[in-house]
Amino acid sequence: DTAVSQTPKYLVTQMGNDKSIKCEQNLGHDTMYWYKQDSKKFLKIMFSYNNKELIINETVPNRFSPKSPDKAHLNLHINSLELGDSAVYFCASSPTGTGISPLHFGNGTRLTVT
Amino acid sequence: DQQVKQNSPSLSVQEGRISILNCDYTNSMFDYFLWYKKYPAEGPTFLISISSIKDKNEDGRFTVFLNKSAKHLSLHIVPSQPGDSAVYFCAASETGANNLFFGTGTRLTVIP
Repeated sequence: DTAVSQTPKYLVTQMGNDKSIKCEQNLGHDTMYWYKQDSKKFLKIMFSYNNKELIINETVPNRFSPKSPDKAHLNLHINSLELGDSAVYFCASSPTGTGISPLHFGNGTRLTVT
Repeated sequence: DQQVKQNSPSLSVQEGRISILNCDYTNSMFDYFLWYKKYPAEGPTFLISISSIKDKNEDGRFTVFLNKSAKHLSLHIVPSQPGDSAVYFCAASETGANNLFFGTGTRLTVIP
């Protein structure tokens, strides 16, 4: 019974394609996040949702569009993929959005754009 | 502009000895600090945290020390075990914020 699960684990695609990554948490948490880990291993927040509402939208190209159909799901859709989008994308959740609750991470989706 | 820095990308320690992982931050508004552990092909998992009202927090073999004046924290693991081999991320947050700022991680290798 995985707490935060994201699919797919690996995603290889060509430039210009549109792809989605799905995330689900069964912890009953109110807040969900997408983080990106780039080639320099730097983990940086992209989006934060609290009860389906967007809380944080960092400086991310608008080709990236998160969607939260309910508080247990936060999907990430990426349009017109570029080489620089290659990274590992982590979904996470927390009981509150204050940052003082430890985040629970999924196992990541390694996206490779060729 | 990295607000949390881990300047040692890697550290090797003999089994049974102490591992000390270091972290520095620049934002004086940060008041909550966490350490995460990450194995390959897995997401980071929470290890231990400390709030700025304390200077030490201990949980079994893991102790985190916070030096607010130096904007520095460290994670001590003693005794180190081979299963501790992983990448350790330091993270910081400001109460009320919805974001954690992460360092780039330190890869710890515990040699049997």
